Amino acid sequence: QKEVEQDPGPLSVPEGAIVSLNCTYSNSAFQYFMWYRQYSRKGPELLMYTYSSGNKEDGRFTAQVDKSSKYISLFIRDSQPSDSATYLCAMSAGREYNFNKFYFGSGTKLNVKP
Amino acid sequence: DGGITQSPKYLFRKEGQNVTLSCEQNLNHDAMYWYRQDPGQGLRLIYYSQIVNDFQKGDIAEGYSVSREKKESFPLTVTSAQKNPTAFYLCASRGTSGSYEQYFGPGTRLTVT
Repeated sequence: QKEVEQDPGPLSVPEGAIVSLNCTYSNSAFQYFMWYRQYSRKGPELLMYTYSSGNKEDGRFTAQVDKSSKYISLFIRDSQPSDSATYLCAMSAGREYNFNKFYFGSGTKLNVKP
Repeated sequence: DGGITQSPKYLFRKEGQNVTLSCEQNLNHDAMYWYRQDPGQGLRLIYYSQIVNDFQKGDIAEGYSVSREKKESFPLTVTSAQKNPTAFYLCASRGTSGSYEQYFGPGTRLTVT
């Protein structure tokens, strides 16, 4: 079983839709959670960073962490064609574990149609 | 501008040659990483370094070597022992005090023929 599971998609939505992207994980030691956006042939760009549980909002993006269910989500409101990219989730454990190692989902490819 | 630079963007080599990929950061981050990305396989960790003059093997270190002589720099050498070196290589760094998110460079596309 992989440490982090993410549906590869592709996910195709019309412009203006609300997009929900998700990852599940198995290691209860994970405390730091990140979402990245990656355009083709580019490096991943950090979108959201969350420590422990709860919600975080930044513009059209909302990140949610549910540690009890080992489940994280990224919501994109009013999706735009420019949001078309691959979205990667990533996580790492606290300092009492292997703090400096990150675990990535395989990425979900999103296509927002005009 | 603070960030991570990787050079070159595209690199072509003949089989049997060693090649070194550059990674520099001016974020004052202690930890640096090298990942390999292949289509449909996500990111795989090659090496990481938590501090100058120290580094650890990741999940796919065979055929690769690194050095960390300066905090800002973490070059990766792809040796002739790496059986399938053609890939997209990503360098990343992470702060170790107060802010623990990881940032990536723009990547180097290596093609070996």
